[in-house]
Amino acid sequence: GESVGLHLPTLSVQEGDNSIINCAYSNSASDYFIWYKQESGKGPQFIIDIRSNMDKRQGQRVTVLLNKTVKHLSLQIAATQPGDSAVYFCAEKNFNKFYFGSGTKLNVKP
Amino acid sequence: KAGVTQTPRYLIKTRGQQVTLSCSPISGHRSVSWYQQTPGQGLQFLFEYFSETQRNKGNFPGRFSGRQFSNSRSEMNVSTLELGDSALYLCASSLGTNSGELFFGEGSRLTVL
Repeated sequence: GESVGLHLPTLSVQEGDNSIINCAYSNSASDYFIWYKQESGKGPQFIIDIRSNMDKRQGQRVTVLLNKTVKHLSLQIAATQPGDSAVYFCAEKNFNKFYFGSGTKLNVKP
Repeated sequence: KAGVTQTPRYLIKTRGQQVTLSCSPISGHRSVSWYQQTPGQGLQFLFEYFSETQRNKGNFPGRFSGRQFSNSRSEMNVSTLELGDSALYLCASSLGTNSGELFFGEGSRLTVL
């Protein structure tokens, strides 16, 4: 199967700082990537996506970077807020199937 | 626009029993996928249904099955429950096209005693 992994299981940041969550994927044929946020007791929520023909995409306070050479995906959250505390998953899509990483828990310290 | 609805939200079963979980996708979405989420694990893909047909299947035993109805609503069934089946079962819907962003429900939390 696919291997979508995360470099750090837990990330603690100070409120107001920028956060960077990393993800490695294994299949160079994957053509679509998504970041999800999952708060306790809730289902995953879409944050931002990127296609393989792009290397950067920006949303509101979030930026996703894709480095196809090293098969690496990152999520940058600007001015991290307490409400950003959650588990973040990356996912890659290959042949109409999604493969998810195990998640990084983001703790925002006041 | 209503989101993805899963029922029941919580349930407790004993080993050997069977369970049926239900998912109502977003209106207009024809694809429904099911995932199992356990502590410390990522989301494990179970299967995907599109227009009442199973389009993709993950690596789960035959005790896990599903179906989709003509209105796109989907059910999944787990027979002969084992302790290890305790998990959050998530349903996700999408248009089913290649652009497919997945929209998740809140999940059904199954505890097997």
